[in-house]
Amino acid sequence: SYELTQPPSVSVSPGQTARITCSGDALPKQYAYWYQQKPGQAPVMVIYKDSERPSGIPERFSGSSSGTTVTLAVTGVQAEDEADYFCQSADSSSTYVVFGGGTKLTVL
Amino acid sequence: EVQLVESGGDLVQPGGSLRLSCAGSGFTFSDYWMSWVRQAPGQGLEWVANIKQDGSETYYVDSVKGRFTISKDNAKNSLYLQMNSLRAEDTAVYYCARGEAVAGHDYWGQGTLVTVSS
Repeated sequence: SYELTQPPSVSVSPGQTARITCSGDALPKQYAYWYQQKPGQAPVMVIYKDSERPSGIPERFSGSSSGTTVTLAVTGVQAEDEADYFCQSADSSSTYVVFGGGTKLTVL
Repeated sequence: EVQLVESGGDLVQPGGSLRLSCAGSGFTFSDYWMSWVRQAPGQGLEWVANIKQDGSETYYVDSVKGRFTISKDNAKNSLYLQMNSLRAEDTAVYYCARGEAVAGHDYWGQGTLVTVSS
């Protein structure tokens, strides 16, 4: 079955830039979506269609795509950005939803 | 304001059944694909199933095929998940989410906890 691969953890100091990657063979042909989840809360979409930002999401969140890897960047990380981040895409048939394993962002 | 409210989670014995519901409001329910996504304790997100706007197409993760059934009642603005032959590994918070594979999921409910244990 199709998989999306994320690093388990990323750590940065406040004010730095955090980059979280997500790799998958179908990503050149399928959009990626990113979700932020804080403890005890539901996920929130922070990036859609690789690089678009939903209304209400701070500008410090951005997304990019290159080949089989998509990247979520958080510029000028703040303490409130500490959370789990999940990428999501579709398989090559555009039918099935796939989530990455998640990355825990720690703000040092 | 878009809202999704799940209900129906409970403690159930292995082999038992449960029906989850999700009530949508603040949007035209019949215009959207809907999904169920679950999260086992301390684990990541796992897509479970989704359903087309009019209910004519449904898709499932392999681990629940033949046991779970997703359905949608557009007249009642409601999404359902009938879960049969439940196993311990089905224990999770189940989220209702608006969206699908190629469009992402832009709104999520707060989740309902299903615990499968004797």
